[in-house]
Order: sequence, then C-alpha cells, then structure tokens
Amino acid sequence: EVHLLESGGGLVQPGGSLRLSCAASGFIFSDYAMSWVRQAPGKGLEWVSGISGNGGRTYYADSVKGRFTIFRDNSKNSLYLQMNSLRAEDTAVYYCVQDDQTWVVTVGKYWGQGTLVTVSS
Amino acid sequence: EIEMTQSPATLSVSPGERATLSCRASQSVSLNLAWYQQKPGQAPRLLFFGASIRATGIPARFSGSGSGTEFTLTISSLQSEDFAVYYCQQYNNWPYSFGQGTKVEI
Repeated sequence: EVHLLESGGGLVQPGGSLRLSCAASGFIFSDYAMSWVRQAPGKGLEWVSGISGNGGRTYYADSVKGRFTIFRDNSKNSLYLQMNSLRAEDTAVYYCVQDDQTWVVTVGKYWGQGTLVTVSS
Repeated sequence: EIEMTQSPATLSVSPGERATLSCRASQSVSLNLAWYQQKPGQAPRLLFFGASIRATGIPARFSGSGSGTEFTLTISSLQSEDFAVYYCQQYNNWPYSFGQGTKVEI
C-alpha cells in the first residue's frame, strides 16, 4: 500500500524559509516522478513543483520559481521542498503526490494527507 | 498558461440522479486531462487520466469523456459518498493547471 507522509509545515514569518519533507513507502520510490501540490484555505488546487524519478528533471510554477527548490533522495525514499522568501500567498496545505510515470510529471496518482504552511507575522 | 474552466460551480442533485460535470481548456490539451474527487478534510483522489481511463478502484458509475478542449465527467447514479468537489487538471503543457472545481451537493 502506498503511503506518503508529509512533515515540516508550520508558522513562518514573511521572508522566512521552511523545508517540507515527504516520507514514501509501499512502492519503488525511484520508479516514479513526484510532485508538490498546494491548496490555499478554502481554495482550489495549484501544482507547485515536480521532479522526475531520477531527479534529473524538475518543474516549477511561475509563482514559486526562484524561491522554491524540489529535490529527492532515492536512497531514503524521501521527497523535499525547500521554500525560501516565503510570502503570505504561499499559505496553504502542501500535498506530496506520487505520479503515474517515471520520467515526466503527469498526474497525481496517490496523495499524502498534506502539511499546513502558514506565512504570517 | 492553459486556463481550465469548470461548469457549473455548484451542482445540486439527489441520490440516484445523473450528474454531468464539464471542463473546458483554453487551448487543446489532447487527451492529457485528469479528474479528481475531493471530500472535506481529505486529499484529492484521482478518478481518471487520459480523459477516460478510470483509475484503480473507481466505480463504473463514473465515466470520463472528451478530447481537445471539451471534457465531461459523468456520474450515472449518484451515491451518498459521491457528494464532493471535483477538479479537472490538464497535463499537456507545463505549468499544469486545475479547474476551479465543481461542488456536487444534495
């Protein structure tokens, strides 16, 4: 059974940094692209960032490009999102998402339960 | 960026009735369209990818259709557990984008 467990969320001041982690189990981690998708309180979904199975290809939404960095450690079955220069509009639940493909990001096949990031002074 | 527009925003139906949800893309996304279901307090769940390919464990009362710019999600006979928000998502061009959602309510 696929299991994705996010951690690292919390309250941070504008301009601050936070690193999200996702511990994956139940599948061969390196066989799948992974992504982070967020949802602001009471709002819709936004695809933030994705990474191929070997980490060689990354994707970023324009809203986070240059501020967020996605990376993975296949030896630890873990996905990460380093978030710098955080803004109030980054406040959201961040979901760790397993893809259906290896080399490209496509769809969210399995989702974690999410971790809440709140950017506020 | 491709804009995804869902209609209606809210769909009021009764259990046992048929529900038809629409999703329109601002430019062709071929068959690279997915549907998700999200219930309150839960993560989204993948229903369809490739516009009409049912994901694992999705009941047959759900069907997806369409191509290019016009897509439809149909629930043939609504069950109580189907009341939720449904999102479409294109993955033809990065940045991938979601529709704003259709809430299916009683």
